[in-house]
Amino acid sequence: NAGVTQTPKFQVLKTGQSMTLQCAQDMNHNSMYWYRQDPGMGLRLIYYSASEGTTDKGEVPNGYNVSRLNKREFSLRLESAAPSQTSVYFCASISGQPFGAFFGQGTRLTVV
Amino acid sequence: GQQVMQIPQYQHVQEGEDFTTYCNSSTTLSNIQWYKQRPGGHPVFLIQLVKSGEVKKQKRLTFQFGEAKKNSSLHITATQTTDVGTYFCAVVSGSARQLTFGSGTQLTVLP
Repeated sequence: NAGVTQTPKFQVLKTGQSMTLQCAQDMNHNSMYWYRQDPGMGLRLIYYSASEGTTDKGEVPNGYNVSRLNKREFSLRLESAAPSQTSVYFCASISGQPFGAFFGQGTRLTVV
Repeated sequence: GQQVMQIPQYQHVQEGEDFTTYCNSSTTLSNIQWYKQRPGGHPVFLIQLVKSGEVKKQKRLTFQFGEAKKNSSLHITATQTTDVGTYFCAVVSGSARQLTFGSGTQLTVLP
């Protein structure tokens, strides 16, 4: 059981470049989330998805887009990366039961 | 989504001392979850509380949900170096199950 898998683990981008962070879960969870974590800022919610084909904005959605094409996968896209988007990005999923979220290992993104 | 405030932001304790972190909301919460994140790692779910006044224990960790369901606490008895990390509270809200985290308390345990 892999749980939540994020790729890539590390990435360096130049300002203005685009990239997609991939996330997949094999636990048949309905809800999936993308967070960014900056030092001293905790986990800030970027986007979330309650089910396939639906997405909602979180606290800090500007500069990002997401796609939930199927139940397993939830991708995060940076169309034109900025240095302010340097952060650690976490994907998570949660079942419909009253259990906690499972997190991926994180993607450490640096924009130069 | 519902917002939660967490204090303190940092806590340094000597090994063997107790530790408590608090999570507060201005609105009534339907649930509260607690997570631990080790340095360089990802958050790991510890527990969920849903009932008013609920108290749950996991070995040296005690979790409480306030009577008014507006606050919660995590207490660690006799800390060990393995307790080092950041502890987050979080709340699931709305039909779309938005999961919002508090700012976390970073615990350092001095040997």
